[in-house]
Amino acid sequence: DAMVIQNPRYQVTQFGKPVTLSCSQTLNHNVMYWYQQKSSQAPKLLFHYYDKDFNNEADTPDNFQSRRPNTSFCFLDIRSPGLGDAAMYLCATSNPLGGGDEQFFGPGTRLTVL
Amino acid sequence: DAKTTQPPSMDCAEGRAANLPCNHSTISGNEYVYWYRQIHSQGPQYIIHGLKNNETNEMASLIITEDRKSSTLILPHATLRDTAVYYCIVRVHSSNTGKLIFGQGTTLQVKP
Repeated sequence: DAMVIQNPRYQVTQFGKPVTLSCSQTLNHNVMYWYQQKSSQAPKLLFHYYDKDFNNEADTPDNFQSRRPNTSFCFLDIRSPGLGDAAMYLCATSNPLGGGDEQFFGPGTRLTVL
Repeated sequence: DAKTTQPPSMDCAEGRAANLPCNHSTISGNEYVYWYRQIHSQGPQYIIHGLKNNETNEMASLIITEDRKSSTLILPHATLRDTAVYYCIVRVHSSNTGKLIFGQGTTLQVKP
């Protein structure tokens, strides 16, 4: 089945140690998103790629970066994780050019910062 | 994008219809109403969307009032697996990207 895959599902890192979360998709969608969801809160968009065009949300900290080497993969890099960055990180895709506007989410990666 | 207001929580008996309300009194003419849900420890899942006409798919029905200031998501025969947080989101249906601004949603608890 076509899907959005996130690895790993659980990631533990140390305070200040860079960490990379990965997302891949078999849907061939041209838009990929990264959301952050802290405990008991709603998901919040960090940034998205429309094809290779990167779009950062105004309030996303500089500590968060992203890379999209090809259509299928997108990475979230946290350069110096703080305790406040512990959260679920959700990747999503959409295919507006295909007429569909809904977003398809992966299962998320839960990040713990020690 | 217009803001939405939803009750924080609701209960529903298994097998009965679950009716989840959403207020969006500042909705603009080109904004659609979208519903997503998030089952515990999973990513959000798209349910349905609509502009002004009522919509139905295999998951749910969406009833939008004539003035478009409110809507109701209906799960016709709720099961225990429908227990989730349900998000009502208003946004422009765009051929470009469309970010989702999630509110706090309604936590639906389906009880046996």
